[in-house]
Amino acid sequence: DTEVTQTPKHLVMGMTNKKSLKCEQHMGHRAMYWYKQKAKKPPELMFVYSYEKLSINESVPSRFSPECPNSSLLNLHLHALQPEDSALYLCASSPSGSSYEQYFGPGTRLTVT
Amino acid sequence: AQSVSQHNHHVILSEAASLELGCNYSYGGTVNLFWYVQYPGQHLQLLLKYFSGDPLVKGIKGFEAEFIKSKFSFNLRKPSVQWSDTAEYFCAVNRETGFQKLVFGTGTRLLVSP
Repeated sequence: DTEVTQTPKHLVMGMTNKKSLKCEQHMGHRAMYWYKQKAKKPPELMFVYSYEKLSINESVPSRFSPECPNSSLLNLHLHALQPEDSALYLCASSPSGSSYEQYFGPGTRLTVT
Repeated sequence: AQSVSQHNHHVILSEAASLELGCNYSYGGTVNLFWYVQYPGQHLQLLLKYFSGDPLVKGIKGFEAEFIKSKFSFNLRKPSVQWSDTAEYFCAVNRETGFQKLVFGTGTRLLVSP
């Protein structure tokens, strides 16, 4: 199984809502990532988890809150988002360490109204 | 600033034409290099990667790339494109720091006309 799954595929939320994005992998990878991709732009790294611990936070606003409950799951909790946060949110995983490729999920397309 | 540059933002080719997409990076030291492809409506997929060894690497679907260290380049090539190669192509670089911090280039949108 070389698949990273993400739910939901699409999400529309208001600026006062609280929602969560979910990501799952069963490849035994110990590093997981959240990226944000705006239309016609490259993915931008948001967070890196290594062995369920937050390793990198790319100065992401606190309205985005990541969580890694176990080695297979990664969540992104959303609260009080702004319309400019509308984007495709990608999850990825890899074996821990730098010399491995990342496997990407299909993404959640988020629209903030 | 440390960055990854892709010179061609949009490329239009006819089927059977040859393809070369440029990628340059500005990091010193040891890097890992990747090309990812994003087909319309699909997720990012790895085309090929370079970590060490032979600087000419072969990937899936007939793609190859050459790492030229002196030029800080990792250009993607395919001798004969197909309509199904229409997609967005991203070069990405990871510095060997122990963490997988991928930095993507701006992407090249390739359109292959039948």
